[in-house]
Amino acid sequence: QVQLVESGGGVVQPGRSLRLACAASGFPFSSSYMHWVRQAPGQGLDWVSLIWYDGSNTHYAESVKGRFTISRDNSKDIMYLQMNNLGAEDTAVYYCAKEAQGEGPMAFDIWGQGTRVTVSS
Amino acid sequence: EIVLTQSPGTLSLSPGERVTLSCRASQSFSSTYLAWYQQHPGQAPRLLIYSASSRATGTPARFSGSGSGTDFTLTISRLEPEDFAVYYCQYYGSSPRTFGQGTKVEIK
Repeated sequence: QVQLVESGGGVVQPGRSLRLACAASGFPFSSSYMHWVRQAPGQGLDWVSLIWYDGSNTHYAESVKGRFTISRDNSKDIMYLQMNNLGAEDTAVYYCAKEAQGEGPMAFDIWGQGTRVTVSS
Repeated sequence: EIVLTQSPGTLSLSPGERVTLSCRASQSFSSTYLAWYQQHPGQAPRLLIYSASSRATGTPARFSGSGSGTDFTLTISRLEPEDFAVYYCQYYGSSPRTFGQGTKVEIK
C-alpha cells in the first residue's frame, strides 16, 4: 500500500548533526514532490523543506536554511534530511509528506507516522 | 510569506452539532492552493480538503470547505465522535508552504 516511513530520529546534543530518512512505497516516488514538516511538542505544523521529483530544486524554511539539507535517492525510493548545528528549537516530530499528483503545487496527500528528534544536553 | 490565522483556537462542542472553522490569510491567493488537514493526538495529519472545497479521497460528505481571497472556512455539518481533533489550514501555492496555528475541536 501507499506508505511513507521515517527513521533516524533520536536524542542529540546541541550543535550536533542528525540525518533523517523517509522510505516510500506503493506510489511512483521518482515523480513525486516531497516535503518535510515538523511539529514541536504541543505546537502546530511547521513546514521545513521541499524537494522536486528529480532533486533538481530544493526549498527551505528560513529557520533551517543553511543548516538543513534535503536530498533524495530515486533509485532507492528514499528521501533524506541532513540536519546540522541542531538547537533546542529543532526539537520536534518530523514528518515526511508527499504532494498529490497533478498540475502545479498540490496538497500533501500522504504522510508518514513521524520520527521524534530531541535536542538536549 | 503568507501567514494564516485560524479562529477560534478551541471549540467545545457536542456530537451532532454543526461547526465552522475560519482561516484568514495575510494576503489574497487563489483558492486552488488552500487545504485543510485533520490531526488526532499522536497521529500524523490527514488531508481532508484541497483547493478550498474539494474533498480528498475518503473524506466524509459532512466535511465541506469554502472561501476565496483571504477568507476560508471548513464546515462540519454534524459532529461525529471521530471528528474531535485539531484542524489546520495550509497554503501550498509556493514556498514556504505555511500552516495556520490550528483549531482544536473538543468534546463539551
